[in-house]
Amino acid sequence: AQSVAQPEDQVNVAEGNPLTVKCTYSVSGNPYLFWYVQYPNRGLQFLLKYITGDNLVKGSYGFEAEFNKSQTSFHLKKPSALVSDSALYFCAVRPGYSTLTFGKGTMLLVSP
Amino acid sequence: DTGVSQDPRHKITKRGQNVTFRCDPISEHNRLYWYRQTLGQGPEFLTYFQNEAQLEKSRLLSDRFSAERPKGSFSTLEIQRTEQGDSAMYLCASSQETHGVGEQYFGPGTRLTVT
Repeated sequence: AQSVAQPEDQVNVAEGNPLTVKCTYSVSGNPYLFWYVQYPNRGLQFLLKYITGDNLVKGSYGFEAEFNKSQTSFHLKKPSALVSDSALYFCAVRPGYSTLTFGKGTMLLVSP
Repeated sequence: DTGVSQDPRHKITKRGQNVTFRCDPISEHNRLYWYRQTLGQGPEFLTYFQNEAQLEKSRLLSDRFSAERPKGSFSTLEIQRTEQGDSAMYLCASSQETHGVGEQYFGPGTRLTVT
């Protein structure tokens, strides 16, 4: 069975600094990997996905993620954090054409 | 606005009552998913439809839960004889899978409280 680990419950970063939200996964076969963001009182929003090809994937709002097959990781990154990036971030994995398995989420807090 | 709508947004019910939730997906999407999310956890898969066919159900989906997607459009999730453990946010998502792996777009969710 597939699984996703987000080792940090919370990540704190100052505005303007780079941010990284970590994600590791376990799945049989080639993984499809996703990042979603959840703002308070709003639904989950899709940020980016890795299907195949270039290991660096660019997504919405300036976010990007790096797929590392040997380390089974898919860390979310942004060069310069904004206060408005503060939200709950979920990593998810999907084996083939099955369904998504989500991690527990990481709260990102960006301070002014 | 992702285009997926859910109704109601909030539901308070007494233990033992039946409840039904509705999800309207993005119109051109052929897949529709139901998830459950509790505080401090990521969404957990319940079931999904491709068009009107229910293709997969999670072990989380007990006999008290049933989902339908008549005519491959909107979907309903019914919980019979609700229990306090059913209190959660129920999320619906849809995707287009005709041309490869599509991302899922989520609705705002229905928050269920069982008293």
